Amino acid sequence: NAGVTQTPKFRILKIGQSMTLQCTQDMNHNYMYWYRQDPGMGLKLIYYSVGAGITDKGEVPNGYNVSRSTTEDFPLRLELAAPSQTSVYFCASRTPGQGFTEAFFGQGTRLTVV
Amino acid sequence: KQEVTQIPAALSVPEGENLVLNCSFTDSAIYNLQWFRQDPGKGLTSLLLIQSSQREQTSGRLNASLDKSSGRSTLYIAASQPGDSATYLCAVRPSIQGAQKLVFGQGTRLTINP
Repeated sequence: NAGVTQTPKFRILKIGQSMTLQCTQDMNHNYMYWYRQDPGMGLKLIYYSVGAGITDKGEVPNGYNVSRSTTEDFPLRLELAAPSQTSVYFCASRTPGQGFTEAFFGQGTRLTVV
Repeated sequence: KQEVTQIPAALSVPEGENLVLNCSFTDSAIYNLQWFRQDPGKGLTSLLLIQSSQREQTSGRLNASLDKSSGRSTLYIAASQPGDSATYLCAVRPSIQGAQKLVFGQGTRLTINP
């Protein structure tokens, strides 16, 4: 079981460039998330998905787009990269339910926009 | 709006001490609370998950408690070791608005000195 896998691990982008952060999970989880973590801060939710074909905005969606065509994959697209998007990005997944639904995280993608 | 606070932001203790990390949240309407560990440059590793109906969970030298009515959780680490040095994050899953996501605290950076 690989769990949640993110690629790439590191990336440097120039202002105005675009890229896609990849996330895949092999646990058959319906729910998937993208968070960003800025230095000294907690994680903030960018987008989430409750199943294939269904996505919704989180707290900080501006400048990002997502799609969910399969249960396994949840890519995050950055259009027109800006320095404010320099951050560490984490993908997570979990099963549906109320109580004992543990969230699992990927290892993160460290993105620098210069 | 649910807010999660972790105090202190950093803690340094000698090896062998028992210690407590604190997490407080503003809205008691939660499904669960999860404690994570994050090593520098790494992803989040789930340590313990407490459902809203539970008072505590234990795993090895770790014990997490939950007092939902007062909006508090603690993570107790017994007989601390240098390998416990990391940032510890707590997160709650709201049971009303925003039930799909986790709301994170900013973390406590723990250093165990040999």
